[in-house]
Amino acid sequence: DTAVSQTPKYLVTQMGNDKSIKCEQNLGHDTMYWYKQDSKKFLKIMFSYNNKELIINETVPNRFSPKSPDKAHLNLHINSLELGDSAVYFCASSPGQGETDTQYFGPGTRLTVL
Amino acid sequence: GQNIDQPTEMTATEGAIVQINCTYQTSGFNGLFWYQQHAGEAPTFLSYNVLDGLEEKGRFSSFLSRSKGYSYLLLKELQMKDSASYLCAAIDSNYQLIWGAGTKLIIKP
Repeated sequence: DTAVSQTPKYLVTQMGNDKSIKCEQNLGHDTMYWYKQDSKKFLKIMFSYNNKELIINETVPNRFSPKSPDKAHLNLHINSLELGDSAVYFCASSPGQGETDTQYFGPGTRLTVL
Repeated sequence: GQNIDQPTEMTATEGAIVQINCTYQTSGFNGLFWYQQHAGEAPTFLSYNVLDGLEEKGRFSSFLSRSKGYSYLLLKELQMKDSASYLCAAIDSNYQLIWGAGTKLIIKP
């Protein structure tokens, strides 16, 4: 039983396309996150979201948009993909609303933009 | 600016002890995490420190000094499976996680 799952695990696409990555957590957590890990292995937070509040990292281009149909899902939609978007994208969840909660990560989605 | 510093790579021998250091500069501080990440896998939680001192959990221990902006992760009785990257992440006053780039630990027989 996977706690935090993401699909697809690998995604290869052309520049300019629009793509989505799905994330689901079955832990009953209130908060979900999206991270981007680049080739230098830095984990950069993109969004954090709970039922009441979406917090956006201002450095994230508006081509990236989170979509949450319900508390257990937080999908990431990317418009007009660029070469620099190639990275591993991790979804995570935590029990409460605070960053002091332990975060549980999904397996990651490796996005390659050609 | 906010910054996390940790060594890029360390090498140790199976059965030995290794200490991975992390220094942080953040606007405010609300605790520090250590995560383990095997190659091609997601990070997994190891420890959380918010008070000064050493917290021991099996073969792994984590230490924090808030006055020095310093933490370390201590791994004892190293096993080959401990080969991984170890990520340090500090929580600032806005409860944002500031991540380090990770320390790649290589264990040799």
